[in-house]
Amino acid sequence: AQSVTQLGSHVSVSEGALVLLRCNYSSSVPPYLFWYVQYPNQGLQLLLKYTTGATLVKGINGFEAEFKKSETSFHLTKPSAHMSDAAEYFCAVSGPFQGAQKLVFGQGTRLTINP
Amino acid sequence: EAQVTQNPRYLITVTGKKLTVTCSQNMNHEYMSWYRQDPGLGLRQIYYSMNVEVTDKGDVPEGYKVSRKEKRNFPLILESPSPNQTSLYFCASSDRGGGIQYFGAGTRLSVL
Repeated sequence: AQSVTQLGSHVSVSEGALVLLRCNYSSSVPPYLFWYVQYPNQGLQLLLKYTTGATLVKGINGFEAEFKKSETSFHLTKPSAHMSDAAEYFCAVSGPFQGAQKLVFGQGTRLTINP
Repeated sequence: EAQVTQNPRYLITVTGKKLTVTCSQNMNHEYMSWYRQDPGLGLRQIYYSMNVEVTDKGDVPEGYKVSRKEKRNFPLILESPSPNQTSLYFCASSDRGGGIQYFGAGTRLSVL
């Protein structure tokens, strides 16, 4: 069975600092990987996804993530945090092919930006 | 505008009183899912549907029912709600397995 672990339920950084949100997954086959963001009182929206091909994936709002198969990781980064990045971030995994409709989420990481 | 619409947004009910949360998408997507979000647990899939009349259990299906009679609609039914079903519920749709999921704004349910 697939699973996702997000290290750190809360992360706090200063405005302008590097953002690093960690995600490790468990899957018996090469997975599809996603990062979603949830702003207060809203649904989730996609930041970026990895299916196949280039392991460094660029998303919206300056975020990117790198798929590292040897480390089973898909960490999310942004070089310079902005106040508007304050939100909850979820890493998710699904299987390819027949398992693709079943999406498993991590516990979420709440990102706080300090002025 | 492409969207997933859930209703109601907020609901307070009592134990045992049947309720339905509606979900509708206007993107002609085949895949639809229901999730519940609880603090510290992230989102957990309740049920999903790959097309009309095709549904399957997710990770936490107990106490819930779904139906998919039309492509655009995927209602979630709680026939006898209990307090442990107090949660934030999200409906989502996707054009294919492994595709981007588009989420509704959520339904906050409290069962007293």
